[in-house]
Amino acid sequence: EAQVTQNPRYLITVTGKKLTVTCSQNMNHEYMSWYRQDPGLGLRQIYYSMNVEVTDKGDVPEGYKVSRKEKRNFPLILESPSPNQTSLYFCASSLLGHSPLHFGNGTRLTVT
Amino acid sequence: GENVEQHPSTLSVQEGDSAVIKCTYSDSASNYFPWYKQELGKRPQLIIDIRSNVGEKKDQRIAVTLNKTAKHFSLHITETQPEDSAVYFCAASPSGAGSYQLTFGKGTKLSVIP
Repeated sequence: EAQVTQNPRYLITVTGKKLTVTCSQNMNHEYMSWYRQDPGLGLRQIYYSMNVEVTDKGDVPEGYKVSRKEKRNFPLILESPSPNQTSLYFCASSLLGHSPLHFGNGTRLTVT
Repeated sequence: GENVEQHPSTLSVQEGDSAVIKCTYSDSASNYFPWYKQELGKRPQLIIDIRSNVGEKKDQRIAVTLNKTAKHFSLHITETQPEDSAVYFCAASPSGAGSYQLTFGKGTKLSVIP
C-alpha cells in the first residue's frame, strides 16, 4: 500500500532533550516536506526536500533540522526542543514539487 | 516570502446550498494553487489544484477559479452535503529558481447543516 509513515504518533518530552521524528514513503517520490499545525494558524511548512541531499527552508525552520540521505526517508530533528514547539506535525511527499501531497498520519508532540 | 490570506475562517451552509472560500496571495511568482480538505482527526487530502496557466478547473461539485491579476483564487462547492463538513486549506507555491516552498492559508471550517 502506498503510504507515508511517521513515527511516533504521540511524543511527550522535556525541554532540551533532543528528539527525532521519522518519516518514510514507499512511492519513490522526489519531494518530501514537514509541516506543523497549530490551532488558528493552519499548516506551516518547516522544511522541504526536492531530492536526496537537497533541502530548503519553509516558512518556520527555526529550531528544526532535517536530512535527506535516502530518497525514502526524511527525518525531522529537534536538537533542543522548547514548549513553543508543542504542535501536531505532518510529513508529506509528492511525486514532484507541484503535485498532490500525500500526508502521513501526524505526530502529536508535547514539550514540557 | 509568500503570504496567503483565507476567508472566511468559519462558514455554515444548509445542505444543498453552495459554499465559496476565498484566498489571496502576495507573491506574483506563485504559480501552483492546491486546496486540501481535512476532516476532524485526519490528515489533509488534496481535493483540487490549479496552475497559473488556467483560469478555472472543475471536478464534479468542486471548482476553483484563479485571477492572477488580482492575485486571488476561490474554491466553490455546489450542492453541499454533510460529508463536505471539514476544514479546507488553500495554498500557494512559486517555482522560481527551483524553489517549491508551499504556504498555506489558515483554514476555513465548513459546516454543512442537514
